[in-house]
Amino acid sequence: GAGVSQTPSNKVTEKGKYVELRCDPISGHTALYWYRQSLGQGPEFLIYFQGTGAADDSGLPNDRFFAVRPEGSVSTLKIQRTERGDSAVYLCASSTGPGREQYFGPGTRLTVT
Amino acid sequence: EDQVTQSPEALRLQEGESSSLNCSYTVSGLRGLFWYRQDPGKGPEFLFTLYSAGEEKEKERLKATLTKKESFLHITAPKPEDSATYLCALTQTSYDKVIFGPGTSLSVIP
Repeated sequence: GAGVSQTPSNKVTEKGKYVELRCDPISGHTALYWYRQSLGQGPEFLIYFQGTGAADDSGLPNDRFFAVRPEGSVSTLKIQRTERGDSAVYLCASSTGPGREQYFGPGTRLTVT
Repeated sequence: EDQVTQSPEALRLQEGESSSLNCSYTVSGLRGLFWYRQDPGKGPEFLFTLYSAGEEKEKERLKATLTKKESFLHITAPKPEDSATYLCALTQTSYDKVIFGPGTSLSVIP
């Protein structure tokens, strides 16, 4: 069956620009998570959705980061005024509910020049 | 502060040489502890969930165990295809976010 998909796979942008990263979860999974992973480190939690609502956004580093999931399926992570420090792999995962095993997409590699 | 640490940072094994990876955690109320495998350039792949001390799960050459302070991932007679980074993660009873450890990079040499 179809797994979690993320687009684009790679994104290069200039400092100060706006970017959107898309996540398409496994059909029927109500929980959706965004993470950021730097080289040699484990994924760092950003935000968790249960259905359409952000149940926990405590990991968003600042107000330049925002995520939506308007219909409880596809989610978009939005980053305004990108900075070089935002360069990382952004991972999306979905699960059947909080505290359950997560299924990850391949990630979007974001490079800010 | 809730924390997950993993050791060793990197491990190099000969094919067939069994070993264990450690995940130590401090959390006020553990809901679940997870092990994932991550290959270069890919997202993590789920391996096991453990919910209570004393619980064990097995899959092929891998066996995960859990105590009140740590979890072990035992690898028996590893093969080169077991080479990957192994990540430990946990969820806590009072919040839904997931905390990942830094991972152990395993290399199995033929």
